[in-house]
Amino acid sequence: ELKVEQNPLFLSMQEGKNYTIYCNYSTTSDRLYWYRQDPGKSLESLFVLLSNGAVKQEGRLMASLDTKARLSTLHITAAVHDLSATYFCAVDPPGLSFGAGTTVTVRA
Amino acid sequence: NAGVTQTPKFRVLKTGQSMTLLCAQDMNHEYMYWYRQDPGMGLRLIHYSVGEGTTAKGEVPDGYNVSRLKKQNFLLGLESAAPSQTSVYFCASSSTGYWETQYFGPGTRLLVL
Repeated sequence: ELKVEQNPLFLSMQEGKNYTIYCNYSTTSDRLYWYRQDPGKSLESLFVLLSNGAVKQEGRLMASLDTKARLSTLHITAAVHDLSATYFCAVDPPGLSFGAGTTVTVRA
Repeated sequence: NAGVTQTPKFRVLKTGQSMTLLCAQDMNHEYMYWYRQDPGMGLRLIHYSVGEGTTAKGEVPDGYNVSRLKKQNFLLGLESAAPSQTSVYFCASSSTGYWETQYFGPGTRLLVL
């Protein structure tokens, strides 16, 4: 059974500082996804990571994948309030197995 | 281009009642999925489809049935609703491309009393 574990589950960030969310998964998977969910909303795709060593960046978010370690990280640079949301990692196939999510709150 | 739409947005059922949730996508995607999200948890896959006329079970299929009669639609049925099925249901779709992400609908909030 594929298990996906995220940590931390809750992250209180101070504006301007850097933080990392970790995503571990239990079996081999070629693809790893990061999604963002705002309260009461649907999921928005952030990144799709396809291979070992893959790194993608969008604004203050950077995601990387180490398939050998079965680990992905989501790095947040210089946190701002707009980044407050819940972040999920997920792996497949078929269909996605999600982590429990990391709820991020950014404080001034 | 509406993307993925879900009907209804919110529904209250009594235990034992039945209902059907409708998902529609206009992106010509082959793959479609139904997930449920419970408080404090990630999404869990209920059923999925890799093409018109095909369906398969996901992680938590019990109590649900699905049909994919048309490529653009994926229906999720609850034959006899139970309080444990109170949840938010998300539909998603994706193409067959290896690099493709899944696109999610807005969700259906279901309350079973």
